[in-house]
Amino acid sequence: AQSVTQPDIHITVSEGASLELRCNYSYGATPYLFWYVQSPGQGLQLLLKYFSGDTLVQGIKGFEAEFKRSQSSFNLRKPSVHWSDAAEYFCAVALASGGSYIPTFGRGTSLIVHP
Amino acid sequence: EAGVAQSPRYKIIEKRQSVAFWCNPISGHATLYWYQQILGQGPKLLIQFQNNGVVDDSQLPKDRFSAERLKGVDSTLKIQPAKLEDSAVYLCASRNTGTADEKLFFGSGTQLSVL
Repeated sequence: AQSVTQPDIHITVSEGASLELRCNYSYGATPYLFWYVQSPGQGLQLLLKYFSGDTLVQGIKGFEAEFKRSQSSFNLRKPSVHWSDAAEYFCAVALASGGSYIPTFGRGTSLIVHP
Repeated sequence: EAGVAQSPRYKIIEKRQSVAFWCNPISGHATLYWYQQILGQGPKLLIQFQNNGVVDDSQLPKDRFSAERLKGVDSTLKIQPAKLEDSAVYLCASRNTGTADEKLFFGSGTQLSVL
């Protein structure tokens, strides 16, 4: 079964510092890959997605992610974190098969930003 | 564009009581998902609808959970009877099937507390 692992439960960074959130997936084929962000009391918002092509994907709010097939990873990065980036970040994988498309989410990484 | 609407926003019940959640997806979205998000975990799929048909309900605890999507638009998720471990946020999401854009749109969720 497909699975996604986010090894870091919490990440703490200072405002203005760079950020990298890790995500690894487990599946034989390359799935669709996503990063979502969830602010307190809000639904999930898509940051970026990877289907194929260029392995470096640009998203909203200055985020980017790099797909590395050899490492089965899709890490999220941001060069300079803002206090408003404090939130829960979820990596998700999905395979489209026979018309069914089911995103499977990691457990999430909580980002704490110090002033 | 109106987003995915969910109600109620919060619900507190005692164990063994019943509860129902409502979701109105984005207009025209054929695919609808219900996810359960327990505190500290990522969302877990409960059921996926394509129009008014069930695509995947393999993770739905059918002895107590039920869901329907009459007329292929609004959907309701019911729990009867509720258990303490059902305390979670229930998220509804929809997708515009048939386009290359695989983006999911999430509602803000219903936070359920079972006492």
